[in-house]
Order: sequence, then structure tokens, then C-alpha cells
Amino acid sequence: DGGITQSPKYLFRKEGQNVTLSCEQNLNHDAMYWYRQDPGQGLRLIYYSQIVNDFQKGDIAEGYSVSREKKESFPLTVTSAQKNPTAFYLCASSIESGAYNEQFFGPGTRLTVL
Amino acid sequence: GQQVMQIPQYQHVQEGEDFTTYCNSSTTLSNIQWYKQRPGGHPVFLIQLVKSGEVKKQKRLTFQFGEAKKNSSLHITATQTTDVGTYFCAGPEDSNYQLIWGAGTKLIIKP
Repeated sequence: DGGITQSPKYLFRKEGQNVTLSCEQNLNHDAMYWYRQDPGQGLRLIYYSQIVNDFQKGDIAEGYSVSREKKESFPLTVTSAQKNPTAFYLCASSIESGAYNEQFFGPGTRLTVL
Repeated sequence: GQQVMQIPQYQHVQEGEDFTTYCNSSTTLSNIQWYKQRPGGHPVFLIQLVKSGEVKKQKRLTFQFGEAKKNSSLHITATQTTDVGTYFCAGPEDSNYQLIWGAGTKLIIKP
């Protein structure tokens, strides 16, 4: 089956710890995205990658880091510098970067920082 | 900054009633996309509108793009329980041409 996988579905961490969220796609898409979703709000873009070995900051990149060493993988690290990390994190991909392209989403990771 | 505003935040309807959500942009959009997120799920693409005044239909769903390309709407006729979820619009951000999202309208079917 083609699609996007995110793991784990639920993640609990203590305050001050870094945590890495996994995102893998087998759609052969060039572009990948990380979004944060808070209750009652739309999706906010954290980072995006237009092609392997390249990534750009989105609107709320502070406290987060990413890498894109393989086309299939785009992990997100939530660092201790992120002031309010508890949220639902969604990874997405599209065939190419840009707002004309349909985005396909993974099931999400719900992060709770205690 | 650039905004995409969506109203209402919630809409409660009886099954069989109609539902409408409205999306307004502070700037002219080249295109707009609509997504649906079921409770506990992830957003799923519904449609993209590109042309001024465009109207597209998918069964009971009707999507419109305004003449000035600054607003859009989604209308569902005769809602069913399968329509429950949150509907998002999204349009391109001027600075980086990535999607900027509305806050969504949650469709709730009254028991």
C-alpha cells in the first residue's frame, strides 16, 4: 500500500527532553511537510522540504529541527527550546512543492509533554 | 500578516439539513484547496478551485470560488452522519507559496 506512516501515534515526554517524530512515505513524492495542529486551530507549517537534502522553515519553526537525508524520510525533532510542544503533529507529502499540489497526510502523532 | 479566515467555527445541524462553511482571504488567491478531517483522523484532500467564479460539485458537496478569488464556500446538501468532521480551506501564502490554512469548521450532527 502506498502512503505515509508516522510513529508513534501517542508520545509522552518529560519537559526538557528532545523527542524525534518519525515520518516515512512510499509515494515517491519530492515534497514533504510538518504541521502542528492545536485544538480549534488550523494547521500551521513548521518545516517543509522541496527535495532531498533541502528544507525550509515554515511559520513556526522555532524550537524544531528536521533533516531530509532520504527521499522517503523526514523526521522532526521537537527540542527543549519549544515552549509549548504539546500538540498533534501531522506529516504530509506532495508530488512537488507548492500550493497547487494535493497534500497527502499521515495519521499524526499526538505529543504530550508532562 | 496574511490570513485565511473560516466561519463558523462550529455548526450543529439535524441530519438532513444543509451545511455551509465560508472561507475569506486577506489577499487574492491563485487557488484554494478544501480538506476534510474526520474526528481523530487526518486531513484528506477534497478539491482544488483555480478559476474565478468556479463552481464544482461532488455528489452533495458544492464548492465555489469567488469572482475576486478572495473567498470560497463549501455547501453540503442534506447532511448525513458520514459528513461529520472538520472542513478546512487552504490557500497559498504569498511569501513562500506554501499552504496557509483556515481554522476549520466543525460539522456536528445533532442526535
